[in-house]
Amino acid sequence: DAKTTQPNSMESNEEEPVHLPCNHSTISGTDYIHWYRQLPSQGPEYVIHGLTSNVNNRMASLAIAEDRKSSTLILHRATLRDAAVYYCASGGSNYKLTFGKGTLLTVNP
Amino acid sequence: ETGVTQSPTHLIKTRGQQVTLRCSSQSGHNTVSWYQQALGQGPQFIFQYYREEENGRGNFPPRFSGLQFPNYSSELNVNALELDDSALYLCASSGGPSSGNTIYFGEGSWLTVV
Repeated sequence: DAKTTQPNSMESNEEEPVHLPCNHSTISGTDYIHWYRQLPSQGPEYVIHGLTSNVNNRMASLAIAEDRKSSTLILHRATLRDAAVYYCASGGSNYKLTFGKGTLLTVNP
Repeated sequence: ETGVTQSPTHLIKTRGQQVTLRCSSQSGHNTVSWYQQALGQGPQFIFQYYREEENGRGNFPPRFSGLQFPNYSSELNVNALELDDSALYLCASSGGPSSGNTIYFGEGSWLTVV
């Protein structure tokens, strides 16, 4: 199974960019990289996903390393509402996702 | 709003009992996966259903079983409940490449085993 590692916690200031790293060193060639965030007592909220190329959407950007062994979720301007646990996950064609333990993001006003 | 709905939201069971959790996938999504999330941990894959057939299973014992129905909704059944089964159970649905391989999660069912 793929192994996914993330820092336990990170801190940011409001309106500053945040870069959340993830290592997925055993990812296979067909595995997508997914990012979710989760608030207490809620299910994971989809943020972004990609395969090889960098991806942008209204919530965030995903930068994928050329060897695909790591990726970075970029929040361009953090807000207080972005405070959550962010999970990186990798998954193959059968959509089995292997999650990291998550990074708790604290956003300071 | 992901369109993935789960029920019940919370329940309490006694050790040794059986439980059934339900999931309605997002419209048009034919693949449903179930995950177990213990407190403070990331979700762990239990199994996946595609077109009513089990299509991949994680490291969970046979007392964890499931079903998928023709409308793609799904059930997770757990027999002989143990205290360690207390967790948030998440359902995820995907429509495959036609929906961009995006996977959406429901809000989960909180199971407490006493």
